[in-house]
Amino acid sequence: DAEITQSPRHKITETGRQVTLACHQTWNHNNMFWYRQDLGHGLRLIHYSYGVQDTNKGEVSDGYSVSRSNTEDLPLTLESAASSQTSVYFCASSVGGELTEQFFGPGTRLTVL
Amino acid sequence: GQQLNQSPQSMFIQEGEDVSMNCTSSSIFNTWLWYKQDPGEGPVLLIALYKAGELTSNGRLTAQFGITRKDSFLNISASIPSDVGIYFCAGLPIAASKLTFGTGTRLQVTL
Repeated sequence: DAEITQSPRHKITETGRQVTLACHQTWNHNNMFWYRQDLGHGLRLIHYSYGVQDTNKGEVSDGYSVSRSNTEDLPLTLESAASSQTSVYFCASSVGGELTEQFFGPGTRLTVL
Repeated sequence: GQQLNQSPQSMFIQEGEDVSMNCTSSSIFNTWLWYKQDPGEGPVLLIALYKAGELTSNGRLTAQFGITRKDSFLNISASIPSDVGIYFCAGLPIAASKLTFGTGTRLQVTL
């Protein structure tokens, strides 16, 4: 069955380190998204992509970057991890066009010490 | 940015009771989506609504796209313990390409 996976599911890192979170989907969806979820803020969009080689900034993109070299993957990189980036990160994908339904991965819990 | 007001923030109900929650916006939306999130998991899509006035069911769940296009409602009938979780609404504003999410309604069911 087609699915969307994230790895690792849990990560502890230190301030200043570079961290990359993986997202892989097998639905062949054009659109992919990264969100962070924090208490009191709901889901906030970090970066998104509408296709290979396309990336766009969301509302909380500072300190994060993404790249889209193929349809299946959208890795999220924290260039220099900060304690404020401790959060749960969700990747999502959607077909695109008029179909806006997004399907989410299981999440990665990141702790920055 | 766009704000979605979701209410109630939390609710405690007894098994077998019906549940209602809603999501409102100050502007018009083209699409409303309802998700459920279990602890430690990602949100799972429950219902998608694309037309004003649309009423759609998924088992014991029924959602409606408000006539004004500024709100949506989710009802759960005859709640069971596995309904426990956080329910999120999400909407696509007119002329926007990205979803806006509500802050969620936490549902707890007592036996």
